[in-house]
Amino acid sequence: DQQVKQNSPSLSVQEGRISILNCDYTNSMFDYFLWYKKYPAEGPTFLISISSIKDKNEDGRFTVFLNKSAKHLSLHIVPSQPGDSAVYFCAASADSGSRLTFGEGTQLTVNP
Amino acid sequence: AAGVIQSPRHLIKEKRETATLKCYPIPRHDTVYWYQQGPGQDPQFLISFYEKMQSDKGSIPDRFSAQQFSDYHSELNMSSLELGDSALYFCASSSGTPNTEAFFGQGTRLTVV
Repeated sequence: DQQVKQNSPSLSVQEGRISILNCDYTNSMFDYFLWYKKYPAEGPTFLISISSIKDKNEDGRFTVFLNKSAKHLSLHIVPSQPGDSAVYFCAASADSGSRLTFGEGTQLTVNP
Repeated sequence: AAGVIQSPRHLIKEKRETATLKCYPIPRHDTVYWYQQGPGQDPQFLISFYEKMQSDKGSIPDRFSAQQFSDYHSELNMSSLELGDSALYFCASSSGTPNTEAFFGQGTRLTVV
């Protein structure tokens, strides 16, 4: 039972353009959502998060949007850079700070 | 800034052997989580500790046990290892404050042969 789903296993964009990574969830108890970036053989690195009381959070080139009614969130990266190439995991937790449930990940490739 | 430290980084064990993975959280973080990531899979939650007490339990096999010590470091003990236990094992820590992110270590790659 995959409670957090990232339906796109891969995404390829040109340098300087926008990257949009999507994530859907089914558990209505989730109230905190995070995006992590992961390189091979390394641990996930925290990027940005959003609480369910907000619909947008921005940090530099990264913006996360949350649509609670659709149980959908997205990560926008503008402008995309080749160094952004990595696997991006969407994660969610219930009860603010409990275990994280991860999506399957999306491999982002930013081409120079 | 200090990060989450995991040791060892790599471990090779034979079937039916025992392995111990260690995790040293970020200073002043009181919550530790363990995750298992199999090849091509997303990280799966195993177990967590808050203030040295088990706080949550996920899909952790009965052959595995874990604890958090008085200095907040944690150890994951894995016995009767099976080939299917080969995976990346990540530890993460957080401050335990609501709506704060968990920070992950570099992981331990366990290979069971």
